[in-house]
Amino acid sequence: AQKITQTQPGMFVQEKEAVTLDCTYDTSDQSYGLFWYKQPSSGEMIFLIYQGSYDEQNATEGRYSLNFQKARKSANLVISASQLGDSAMYFCAMREALTGGFKTIFGAGTRLFVKA
Amino acid sequence: DVKVTQSSRYLVKRTGEKVFLECVQDMDHENMFWYRQDPGLGLRLIYFSYDVKMKEKGDIPEGYSVSREKKERFSLILESASTNQTSMYLCASSFRTSGRATGQETQYFGPGTRLLVL
Repeated sequence: AQKITQTQPGMFVQEKEAVTLDCTYDTSDQSYGLFWYKQPSSGEMIFLIYQGSYDEQNATEGRYSLNFQKARKSANLVISASQLGDSAMYFCAMREALTGGFKTIFGAGTRLFVKA
Repeated sequence: DVKVTQSSRYLVKRTGEKVFLECVQDMDHENMFWYRQDPGLGLRLIYFSYDVKMKEKGDIPEGYSVSREKKERFSLILESASTNQTSMYLCASSFRTSGRATGQETQYFGPGTRLLVL
């Protein structure tokens, strides 16, 4: 069964505008971690932001914020003031504590295109 | 900064060849991982290791093996490469954690190896 769902294969956003990338997850664990990674065309996966299931505040890292809605099991990434360099693939991922931190499950990704 | 390096960015091999992909990390991480990435499928875990000489199968281990003789190095081996193993291979490492998720389990990735098997 799909554990991480990213429903948007591709997204367009105008430079300097904000964009939300959707992510929903499925787990029965109470303790889990959620991650977002960016993959530019160079191929390297770049860690962006982390949200723990017990964290009460939404995580923020510079222009990135994670809109964590635990009851809905969603962890959307919000990028404010988009830049041309934000054009990339974005992956949502989840780590489940029950597996001892050994496995992280990734979504299929969303390709973001930032228009000048 | 965490540094994960992979031996090759691009590799072209012939069907039946034995292929070695090397990964080295310099952050003293206990856990290391090998993924393959294919369009529309995201990242799929091949093998992981949580200690020297320890290995565990991931979701798609068939056709692959791994070796971890030193803590900083994790090798992926294709014993007899096939065309369906043409893919992007990504190595990652992380601290070992257990119990409550804390963020320390964040995985850090190498630049990837694009393998083409002809």
